[in-house]
Amino acid sequence: RKEVEQDPGPFNVPEGATVAFNCTYSNSASQSFFWYRQDCRKEPKLLMSVYSSGNEDGRFTAQLNRASQYISLLIRDSKLSDSATYLCVVRGMYSGGGADGLTFGKGTHLIIQP
Amino acid sequence: DGGITQSPKYLFRKEGQNVTLSCEQNLNHDAMYWYRQDPGQGLRLIYYSQIVNDFQKGDIAEGYSVSREKKESFPLTVTSAQKNPTAFYLCASSRLQEPLHFGNGTRLTVT
Repeated sequence: RKEVEQDPGPFNVPEGATVAFNCTYSNSASQSFFWYRQDCRKEPKLLMSVYSSGNEDGRFTAQLNRASQYISLLIRDSKLSDSATYLCVVRGMYSGGGADGLTFGKGTHLIIQP
Repeated sequence: DGGITQSPKYLFRKEGQNVTLSCEQNLNHDAMYWYRQDPGQGLRLIYYSQIVNDFQKGDIAEGYSVSREKKESFPLTVTSAQKNPTAFYLCASSRLQEPLHFGNGTRLTVT
């Protein structure tokens, strides 16, 4: 099983719709979780951290399900500008033995259509 | 403005030449990282550094070298030993255990 797994998509969604996608992780000791957004040929940018109780930032909601080992991202009232690749990032315990503890998913490609 | 700066944005080199990519941050972050991204692929860790004068190999360190002589700077050298150096290189920094902040990347093409 891959450490951090995402459906690559692409997800084609009409403007204004609600879209959600998940990211599963294999290390049950993972401690912190993040969603990043990456536009084509640009650097990833932090979208939001994911907290145990779930958190919301405007149209974006992130949730963590530790029992099933996945995090989710929900986007409401999607805009054309939401088209991007969304990367899931999981941080485990820093081992100090050569691993920085960070694992990136390969990303989910989202296309919002007019 | 605080941030992380990579230069140059585009770099072209002939095969067999070493090339150094610059990464500077003024965020006072302890940790700095180098990733490589290939088309349609995820980020792969090359090297990272938690403190000055110390760095660790990542998953794909072969053919690369780094130095961390100053907290602000973490240059990456792509040596001629790297078999497939053409890629998008991303530098990042963070406070320990906090999210990463990325530079805008260097696109290296080796012919």
